[in-house]
Amino acid sequence: DTGVSQNPRHKITKRGQNVTFRCDPISEHNRLYWYRQTLGQGPEFLTYFQNEAQLEKSRLLSDRFSAERPKGSFSTLEIQRTEQGDSAMYLCASSRGGGNTEAFFGQGTRLTVV
Amino acid sequence: AQSVSQHNHHVILSEAASLELGCNYSYGGTVNLFWYVQYPGQHLQLLLKYFSGDPLVKGIKGFEAEFIKSKFSFNLRKPSVQWSDTAEYFCAVNGYGGSQGNLIFGKGTKLSVKP
Repeated sequence: DTGVSQNPRHKITKRGQNVTFRCDPISEHNRLYWYRQTLGQGPEFLTYFQNEAQLEKSRLLSDRFSAERPKGSFSTLEIQRTEQGDSAMYLCASSRGGGNTEAFFGQGTRLTVV
Repeated sequence: AQSVSQHNHHVILSEAASLELGCNYSYGGTVNLFWYVQYPGQHLQLLLKYFSGDPLVKGIKGFEAEFIKSKFSFNLRKPSVQWSDTAEYFCAVNGYGGSQGNLIFGKGTKLSVKP
């Protein structure tokens, strides 16, 4: 499968714990995006990388959230001191660089904070 | 503020009925427009996209959408739906030329097609 891969698919954690998600983009894509989707809403943008550089961050990305893409390939999204409001589907997408390109999405990681 | 509005939360149709899902956007500048579909249990997939040129764009599975700049709209249409079109549909926008990489999505419209 050469699509966007996300792991784990599901994560249940206790409030206050830290969690980390991984995204492997399509190999030739140099842009990588993280989105969050809650029930009844469309995906909401969190952050975006071009290669290893984090170029844009949403106000939704509080200080407890951090994302990295150390070698411009896979990316990790870490949430520290999780709260119940962090429960959501976390989506990763990738695209080629340049203008007017389409983003391809992974299946997401569903986080439940109990 | 940049936003996307999808007018219908849930649409229920019988097979062979025609479909039109509304999408309006608010965005400063020239835009790219997208419709994504999410089948039950699957990831978001691109149905169609508009970057420039002919405002009537055709996508996969018989879907099409028309960009009407004066109305800030990008409605999705299909002349005859099938049970397999049951899914959630999301309209999205970003800046033309990819100047802003992130997509802004609407809240989605859930389509249920009765056999």
